[in-house]
Amino acid sequence: AQTVTQSQPEMSVQEAETVTLSCTYDTSENNYYLFWYKQPPSRQMILVIRQEAYKQQNATENRFSVNFQKAAKSFSLKISDSQLGDTAMYFCAFMKRHSGNTGKLIFGQGTTLQVKP
Amino acid sequence: NAGVTQTPKFRVLKTGQSMTLLCAQDMNHEYMYWYRQDPGMGLRLIHYSVGEGTTAKGEVPDGYNVSRLKKQNFLLGLESAAPSQTSVYFCASSYMVPGTGGYNEQFFGPGTRLTVL
Repeated sequence: AQTVTQSQPEMSVQEAETVTLSCTYDTSENNYYLFWYKQPPSRQMILVIRQEAYKQQNATENRFSVNFQKAAKSFSLKISDSQLGDTAMYFCAFMKRHSGNTGKLIFGQGTTLQVKP
Repeated sequence: NAGVTQTPKFRVLKTGQSMTLLCAQDMNHEYMYWYRQDPGMGLRLIHYSVGEGTTAKGEVPDGYNVSRLKKQNFLLGLESAAPSQTSVYFCASSYMVPGTGGYNEQFFGPGTRLTVL
């Protein structure tokens, strides 16, 4: 079975600074995807970034980037130039990758990020 | 396209009452899911469906039943609500992106906040 752990329940950062959210996971699978989702106060789940485990290059999306360490089973999210709109709960999630994939997601506990002006 | 919609958005029940949450998607997706979100626990999969007429148990299925009689709808039922079922419920749908070898792109509904007194 897969597990995803986010050990930081809450974090805060000053506007325009950089913050890193941590995530570790456990799996015996070799092929999988990892995600970071953002959940603002509206509750809508928004995909921030996706990493494919077979790709060594870390994924980036504008101000968001990841540090994917497959051997260590670590997947952290770095937010650069933090903005007030980044205030939200962030979830790390895991999905198996194979042709019969049912698309089930395994989520971490979440990290609440507060961006301060 | 409306995407994934959930009905109702809020509901308060008394212990022992029953209710059905409706999830609808207009994207012709094969896969649909019900998750519950609780503080400190992230989102956990209750039940899922890989196609019309099929359902399967997720991580926390006890106390819930589901049905998928039509491809576009996925119903979550609580036969006898308990305070432990107080939660935010999310529906999601997905499709396998061609050529990816197993990536299901996920679409989430806005959530239903359920309180059981």
